Amino acid sequence: KAGVTQTPRYLIKTRGQQVTLSCSPISGHRSVSWYQQTPGQGLQFLFEYFSETQRNKGNFPGRFSGRQFSNSRSEMNVSTLELGDSALYLCASSLSPSGVGETQYFGPGTRLLVL
Amino acid sequence: GENVEQHPSTLSVQEGDSAVIKCTYSDSASNYFPWYKQELGKGPQLIIDIRSNVGEKKDQRIAVTLNKTAKHFSLHITETQPEDSAVYFCAAGGEGGSYIPTFGRGTSLIVHP
Repeated sequence: KAGVTQTPRYLIKTRGQQVTLSCSPISGHRSVSWYQQTPGQGLQFLFEYFSETQRNKGNFPGRFSGRQFSNSRSEMNVSTLELGDSALYLCASSLSPSGVGETQYFGPGTRLLVL
Repeated sequence: GENVEQHPSTLSVQEGDSAVIKCTYSDSASNYFPWYKQELGKGPQLIIDIRSNVGEKKDQRIAVTLNKTAKHFSLHITETQPEDSAVYFCAAGGEGGSYIPTFGRGTSLIVHP
């Protein structure tokens, strides 16, 4: 079974631009969570989607948004990019909503560099 | 909100030794505590987890202990091998509908052959 895939793997943007990242979960998984990983702040939860509905949201500004499609694929969008948005963005999928006994499987991440 | 502290930030051991990584958390409502291993260039991988109604859980060479009163939990790796070298993260959160995990800052484990 294929793992979680994220596209693109690497991305360079300039301040003020917007970016969309994509995540395809493991087949059959309906929950997708997004995380931001930086050297300064570590791993931080962004949001989780289950059955096309946002289930939980972390403490990030409204510039960060996401959505989930009927096939469980998910996208996250960051508008008006700032230098501090440079990070590794990780996606994780699970069969059921995270934290209820279902293992989350992480993708390799998208490394975003904002210049 | 929840605050998770993880120690040490770096741990260097000889192959065959044991390694212990400790985490403390602040929110008594947290009841789910996973541990992840992240290798270079890869996403984190869940290696073991524990719920608040359990004090200890073991899976082969890996064990996790939880002290809810003291709000701390630890990862124990016995008979370490070079392939155990990676960054390990602990996390804490309330299970169920309100699961928003807070992660520790990570421990870089180096196992010398």
